[in-house]
Amino acid sequence: GNSVTQMEGPVTLSEEAFLTINCTYTATGYPSLFWYVQYPGEGLQLLLKATKADDKGSNKGFEATYRKETTSFHLEKGSVQVSDSAVYFCALSGPTGGGNKLTFGTGTQLKVEL
Amino acid sequence: EAQVTQNPRYLITVTGKKLTVTCSQNMNHEYMSWYRQDPGLGLRQIYYSMNVEVTDKGDVPEGYKVSRKEKRNFPLILESPSPNQTSLYFCASRTVSGGYNEQFFGPGTRLTVL
Repeated sequence: GNSVTQMEGPVTLSEEAFLTINCTYTATGYPSLFWYVQYPGEGLQLLLKATKADDKGSNKGFEATYRKETTSFHLEKGSVQVSDSAVYFCALSGPTGGGNKLTFGTGTQLKVEL
Repeated sequence: EAQVTQNPRYLITVTGKKLTVTCSQNMNHEYMSWYRQDPGLGLRQIYYSMNVEVTDKGDVPEGYKVSRKEKRNFPLILESPSPNQTSLYFCASRTVSGGYNEQFFGPGTRLTVL
């Protein structure tokens, strides 16, 4: 079945540091890939997505590139801010079940300090 | 405002006392789903519904029931809660037309079963 593996946290960085959160996946066919973010006390929000190989998703300074050859979708940001402190989930969708089911990684907590 | 709402947000109950967590969306989405979030396990799908009167099991359905009598509502029912159902629960919805579309998540319901 489908699965997502992401680096364990927590990750603690200083403001303006470079961020990488690793994510690899196992899936049949060609899944769509996502990063969701969960701020304290809130539900999940879609951060970015990529639907085919070599696509780059980007939003709010975050980027991730769909690498089919390495089955990876690593999240990066060049300069993190305190407001980026949250839990980040890598996820994939489809192609089975009409592409509706999301399979999540375990989440990576990011803490950014001044 | 487009949103998914859940009630209650917090609930403490005792083993065996039936409870219902409500979920409602105002976006006319066909697809709705329930997830539970547990430390180290990420989010796991409990049940999902492709449309009114169409529901199916996810990865961890044991001990839960759902119904989909109206398009906007998708309640989660625990007929006889047990302590291992203590968790953070999320409802999500999305449209199924036009290829992949973002899943919108509710704010979560934190359930404690004593």
